[in-house]
Amino acid sequence: ILNVEQSPQSLHVQEGDSTNFTCSFPSSNFYALHWYRWETAKSPEALFVMTLNGDEKKKGRISATLNTKEGYSYLYIKGSQPEDSATYLCAPRGGGQGGKLIFGQGTELSVKP
Amino acid sequence: NAGVTQTPKFQVLKTGQSMTLQCAQDMNHEYMSWYRQDPGMGLRLIHYSVGAGITDQGEVPNGYNVSRSTTEDFPLRLLSAAPSQTSVYFCASSYGSGTAPYEQYFGPGTRLTVT
Repeated sequence: ILNVEQSPQSLHVQEGDSTNFTCSFPSSNFYALHWYRWETAKSPEALFVMTLNGDEKKKGRISATLNTKEGYSYLYIKGSQPEDSATYLCAPRGGGQGGKLIFGQGTELSVKP
Repeated sequence: NAGVTQTPKFQVLKTGQSMTLQCAQDMNHEYMSWYRQDPGMGLRLIHYSVGAGITDQGEVPNGYNVSRSTTEDFPLRLLSAAPSQTSVYFCASSYGSGTAPYEQYFGPGTRLTVT
């Protein structure tokens, strides 16, 4: 199981701002990195699963990059909208870990109109 | 497909009572997990299972038991409820192949209050 840290813990931005946050994890025994979006009073939803060093994934205005050698992933949101307000969770998965995901504490994003 | 279902949606227990939170999935997923939501700590893994008959502890297993007699069902038992177990509980399932292996599919959650 890979320990994970997410920063910042919370972020308050204005509508239209672009923002990014970080997921840090040990680079040894890395297999994959999961990102989830979790809106208040709802269930978490998968955003990306990333495996290769240098991987970049994109879904609409949200994108993510992965650096497995230094052990971090960035999540970017371009032109934040109020509906992007949510907690963003990451979970690194090590080799042999199967479906056992340990999540970071998350970054809580609030976008003001 | 119904996906991952959880019952009940809400429950209030008194300290010391026991109960079972139900979780079922109809996607034939091999992996199932239970998480609890804690303020400032995100989701914490309680127990998980890699298949029928096989379970293992997560980060916060104390006070909870699980079993997996079928692929579809993964109930979580609270042995003697304590106020510290007041939380929202999420069940999730995943499978190990495809374009997004081990991507978790979450149920709607059970909100538990222990008084």
